[in-house]
Order: sequence, then C-alpha cells, then structure tokens
Amino acid sequence: DTGVSQDPRHKITKRGQNVTFRCDPISEHNRLYWYRQTLGQGPEFLTYFQNEAQLEKSRLLSDRFSAERPKGSFSTLEIQRTEQGDSAMYLCASSLAAGSYEQYFGPGTRLTVT
Amino acid sequence: DAKTTQPPSMDCAEGRAANLPCNHSTISGNEYVYWYRQIHSQGPQYIIHGLKNNETNEMASLIITEDRKSSTLILPHATLRDTAVYYCIVRVAAYQGAQKLVFGQGTRLTINP
Repeated sequence: DTGVSQDPRHKITKRGQNVTFRCDPISEHNRLYWYRQTLGQGPEFLTYFQNEAQLEKSRLLSDRFSAERPKGSFSTLEIQRTEQGDSAMYLCASSLAAGSYEQYFGPGTRLTVT
Repeated sequence: DAKTTQPPSMDCAEGRAANLPCNHSTISGNEYVYWYRQIHSQGPQYIIHGLKNNETNEMASLIITEDRKSSTLILPHATLRDTAVYYCIVRVAAYQGAQKLVFGQGTRLTINP
C-alpha cells in the first residue's frame, strides 16, 4: 500500500454513459498525475496537477475527459459518453514538488465499457 | 524524453541475482535513469534512480555504464514476489521541468522456484 487510494477499483459501464473516478494522494504530496494503461502496454500519461492547477494535458485527453483537483487534495477524472476504446486501467500517482520526485501510484481503477 | 530499449522477457531462478539490462544510447547529460516495476494488477512501484554513479537501496542496485548509454538493475536475491514487469525510464529531473513518466513496454521478469 503506497498511501495513494483510488475509487472505485472496478467499473463496468455501458457505452455512452458518464463515469467518474476519484484519487486520494498521499496527504503531503502537492503533485498528482493521471495515467491510462491498456492491456499489454505500459502506462500512458494523461494529465498532472500541482496543487489545484492543471499544468499539463496529453493529447490523449480528448474533450470527453476532464480532470479536477478543486482544493489541491483529491482529484476526479470524468469520462463523458464512454466508448469501448476507453476500456483501460486508470492510474493515479502523487509526488512531492521537491526532493527526489518519485511518483507513488495507486492500485488503479479498471474500466470496462460494454 | 530519451527512448529506452529493454528485452521483452527474462527468467531467473529464485534466490539468484536478477540482472535486467536497459539501453538508453541517446540519453542527455541532465537525464536520470529511473526504474519502476509493476506487479500484476497493481500500480507501478518506484525502485531506484541514478544519474551517473551506481546506486543501491534496500530493493535493488543500479549500475550505470561510464558512457551512460546503458544500465543494469540488479535484484540481488530474487524471490517469487519479484515477478513483475520492470520499466526503465529516462527523464530529466522534475525540477528541470519534465513531470510525466514515459513508460515503454518494459521487461517481464519471471522468477521460477
């Protein structure tokens, strides 16, 4: 257990529905990252926050995806109008903004779109 | 970030040292070598990182060649719990601007009893 928690751990949804995932980082970490991982591939970066500011977004993050970190603590990732191609593991990580900067990952949320 | 090349899979006997190679021939002078691993159905786990000197911690040792074009992660006494996908990642230090980790395909290490 790294101290990063994600909820839910599994989500099955029908195509076209909206889904929202939550990430709670390690409490003193001010950087928070979202990654997506499909079967057999390494994780791919989606976006990251420093405190409440979203500082970088990947081109993978289409306009159906939105991420927030309103008070600089937990974060949510919402996918609107889900598609089958959105089926993946969604990983959250957190780190300090100083020091050795290693990222600590949560267990992920596995999304299946039917 | 520079690209890395790793063998897709490796096997190692339990109790022996597991040596995982990584090539990063285009690495820049300010780029670090990071290693993460991902055990099945879990998020990636940080192992170790280094710039040019060899590094050791409670999990592993990292040997970086003098020209920095390759490195080896060493798990000194592999156990069955070390079975995982190991990722070698090259990136600049976070304070220099790069925040994201760019994962390749990694090496699937299987520890056999």
